[in-house]
Amino acid sequence: AQKVTQAQTEISVVEKEDVTLDCVYETRDTTYYLFWYKQPPSGELVFLIRRNSFDEQNEISGRYSWNFQKSTSSFNFTITASQVVDSAVYFCALILPWDSGGSNYKLTFGKGTLLTVNP
Amino acid sequence: DTGVSQDPRHKITKRGQNVTFRCDPISEHNRLYWYRQTLGQGPEFLTYFQNEAQLEKSRLLSDRFSAERPKGSFSTLEIQRTEQGDSAMYLCASSLENGQARFQHFGDGTRLSIL
Repeated sequence: AQKVTQAQTEISVVEKEDVTLDCVYETRDTTYYLFWYKQPPSGELVFLIRRNSFDEQNEISGRYSWNFQKSTSSFNFTITASQVVDSAVYFCALILPWDSGGSNYKLTFGKGTLLTVNP
Repeated sequence: DTGVSQDPRHKITKRGQNVTFRCDPISEHNRLYWYRQTLGQGPEFLTYFQNEAQLEKSRLLSDRFSAERPKGSFSTLEIQRTEQGDSAMYLCASSLENGQARFQHFGDGTRLSIL
């Protein structure tokens, strides 16, 4: 079975600070996808990024960057120069990419990290 | 491009009542998923359809819950004899079956509150 752990329950920062959200995952499979989603107070899940297990190249998109390290089973997310609008719950999730009659079709989410960015 | 649509957005009901939620997936998506998210937790998988066939149900889906996707298009999730513990956000997602199958598109959810 897969497991995703987000050890940080809540993080509070002041605007313009950098913040890193941690994600550690467990799976016995060598091929998988990892995701980050943002959930603002309105409740919808906003897709941020998807990475597959064969691509450990880190990625930067604007103020967002992701650090994927397969050796430590971590997929951390950094927001640079945080803004009040970044306040939300952030979820890390994992999925297996193929059907084998088992549980390879469902996303396994962490419990989320509530990020509060104060002005 | 129309995304995943869920109705209603909010539902408040008394304990013991039955409720039904609807999910309209993206039109060309043949896979549809239901997740439940309780306060302070991440979404948890409930059930999954491929076309009209319900292929898997989580142990979280008690016998008071039933989901259908009669024509392989929209889906309904019904909860009978609601209990306080059913209060949650119910999320629907859909996906294709090909290489993008694991990229699930989520709706805005239905927030259920049991009085």
